[in-house]
Amino acid sequence: GQSLEQPSEVTAVEGAIVQINCTYQTSGFYGLSWYQQHDGGAPTFLSYNALDGLEETGRFSSFLSRSDSYGYLLLQELQMKDSASYFCAVSGNTPLVFGKGTRLSVIA
Amino acid sequence: DGGITQSPKYLFRKEGQNVTLSCEQNLNHDAMYWYRQDPGQGLRLIYYSQIVNDFQKGDIAEGYSVSREKKESFPLTVTSAQKNPTAFYLCASSTRASGSPGDEQFFGPGTRLTVL
Repeated sequence: GQSLEQPSEVTAVEGAIVQINCTYQTSGFYGLSWYQQHDGGAPTFLSYNALDGLEETGRFSSFLSRSDSYGYLLLQELQMKDSASYFCAVSGNTPLVFGKGTRLSVIA
Repeated sequence: DGGITQSPKYLFRKEGQNVTLSCEQNLNHDAMYWYRQDPGQGLRLIYYSQIVNDFQKGDIAEGYSVSREKKESFPLTVTSAQKNPTAFYLCASSTRASGSPGDEQFFGPGTRLTVL
C-alpha cells in the first residue's frame, strides 16, 4: 500500500520561510507532487519531483530524497495569501495518493 | 476557456435518496477522478477512469457508482448504501493517470453534499 505523513498544522510569520515535510511509503514510486488548497476552494498543482534534489518555482521550492522516502515544500517570503492547506501526493503504480494535508497559517 | 466544472456547488438530500453529482471537462483529458474530502482526512479516491467506458474503484468506492460514457463527463452517484455521505466532493482530470509533469491533476470547484 501507500501512505504519507505530513504535519497537520504549521504557523509562520509573514515574510519568513517555512518548510513542510512529507514522508512516504509506497511501491512503484514515480514522483512526489505538491498541491495547494485554499479554504473552500479546489486544490491546485504546485510542483513535481521525480529525481533527487531541489526544484525551484518562484517563491516555492520542492525537494525530494528518494533514498530517504522524504520530501519537503519550502515557501519563502511568506505572504498572507499563502495561508492554505498543502498536500503532498505520490504517484506510482496507482493514481495519485494524497497525504492528509498541512494547514499553513501565516500571521502578521 | 478550458476547465473542469462541477454542479451544483451545494446539494441537500434526504437520507435514503440517491444523488448524482455532475463533472464535465473540456481539457481533452483521458483520465478523470472523484475524491471525497472530510475535515482532517485529505483527499480520498473514490473512483477513477483512464479512458472512456472504463473505470476502477479507488480506496473508498463502497456506496458510490460512476459511469464514463463520454470523454468529457464523469458523473458520480452517491447511493443510499453510502453510510455517511455528507462531505465535500472533488472531481479532477489529467492527461493520463501517471502523476508526472504534464499529467498533473486539474480540479473542479467541488460539490458540498449535505444529507439531512
